Amino acid sequence: DAGVTQSPTHLIKTRGQQVTLRCSPISGHKSVSWYQQVLGQGPQFIFQYYEKEERGRGNFPDRFSARQFPNYSSELNVNALLLGDSALYLCASSLRERGLETQYFGPGTRLLVL
Amino acid sequence: TQLLEQSPQFLSIQEGENLTVYCNSSSVFSSLQWYRQEPGEGPVLLVTVVTGGEVKKLKRLTFQFGDARKDSSLHITAAQPGDTGLYLCAGRRNAGGTSYGKLTFGQGTILTVHP
Repeated sequence: DAGVTQSPTHLIKTRGQQVTLRCSPISGHKSVSWYQQVLGQGPQFIFQYYEKEERGRGNFPDRFSARQFPNYSSELNVNALLLGDSALYLCASSLRERGLETQYFGPGTRLLVL
Repeated sequence: TQLLEQSPQFLSIQEGENLTVYCNSSSVFSSLQWYRQEPGEGPVLLVTVVTGGEVKKLKRLTFQFGDARKDSSLHITAAQPGDTGLYLCAGRRNAGGTSYGKLTFGQGTILTVHP
């Protein structure tokens, strides 16, 4: 079975531009989460969607938004890009079973803002 | 302030040595996961622990969840160059008997094993 897929793998943008990142979850998984990982740090939670509804939001500005589609794929949008938005953006797909949720990560999208 | 503190941040050892990575918090976690991440890739799940005092083994890796579910450790026996990578602990703080939602990550431990 295919794992979590993300596109594009790499992206270069300039300050002020907008970017859309895409994620396809593992087949059968209904939840998608987005994380930002700055070089040298652990991932920071941005959003979680479960059954197409937002179930959690991290401490990120309103420039960050996301949505989940009926097929459970997801998009993360970032407007008015800043240099500090340069990071690896990770998507995680998860299944909730017997009270426990396990998240499986995709390879990430490396975003560079110049 | 980091909710999950990992130590050490960097570890450089010779092949064959043993090592332990610690993940500590003042908060109780309903579950804790350990991931390994290689450069340019996403984190890969190694183990999930949910019960206080739980010990899980994965070949040469031993994971322990503290009795109070506030801390965890990863012990690697006879490290090999293939163990090189970034090790991340991540936890959830839930009430009510479930463990759903966002993961809070530690800052990671960069392990280098020299041949």
